[in-house]
Amino acid sequence: AQSVSQHNHHVILSEAASLELGCNYSYGGTVNLFWYVQYPGQHLQLLLKYFSGDPLVKGIKGFEAEFIKSKFSFNLRKPSVQWSDTAEYFCAVNPYSSASKIIFGSGTRLSIRP
Amino acid sequence: EAGVVQSPRYKIIEKKQPVAFWCNPISGHNTLYWYRQNLGQGPELLIRYENEEAVDDSQLPKDRFSAERLKGVDSTLKIQPAELGDSAVYLCASSFGQSSYNEQFFGPGTRLTVL
Repeated sequence: AQSVSQHNHHVILSEAASLELGCNYSYGGTVNLFWYVQYPGQHLQLLLKYFSGDPLVKGIKGFEAEFIKSKFSFNLRKPSVQWSDTAEYFCAVNPYSSASKIIFGSGTRLSIRP
Repeated sequence: EAGVVQSPRYKIIEKKQPVAFWCNPISGHNTLYWYRQNLGQGPELLIRYENEEAVDDSQLPKDRFSAERLKGVDSTLKIQPAELGDSAVYLCASSFGQSSYNEQFFGPGTRLTVL
């Protein structure tokens, strides 16, 4: 079955630390890839997306993600986190064959110590 | 521009009772989605509408869940009767078009607690 795995359920970092959140998916065909973020008390919103082209994509607020096809991975990174990055982060996959159906991972809760 | 509106934000009911959730998508968005998000999990698609037509309801438990999108705008998701395992956050999202290239915008969700 198609699935998305996020390895870390809860990550705690200090401000200015570097961030990398892992995401792997199990689907052999072509996919579109997304990272969504949910800040405390707010709704889910798109952070960045990959459809094709340069496998290193940049999103809002200094986030970036790298698509490594051979590893079925789409890890999220940020060189220096801020307290305001405290949120839950969801990796998501859309198989080309599934129209707009998006399969979400279970999420990673990121807590930033001021 | 107003976002996706959902109501109620919270609902507490006893098992076997019916419950309904309402969603008003972003104006002009013809595709509407209902997701269920269990505690500690990501959202899972229940049903997708293209205008008033349900084009993907394969994950909707049809014995107790129903949905409608009359006139292709607002939508209602109903559970009857509710079970303990239905406790979750029910999210509505909308997009302009059904392609995954069109960003889905999510509402704040309805948190359902079944006692």
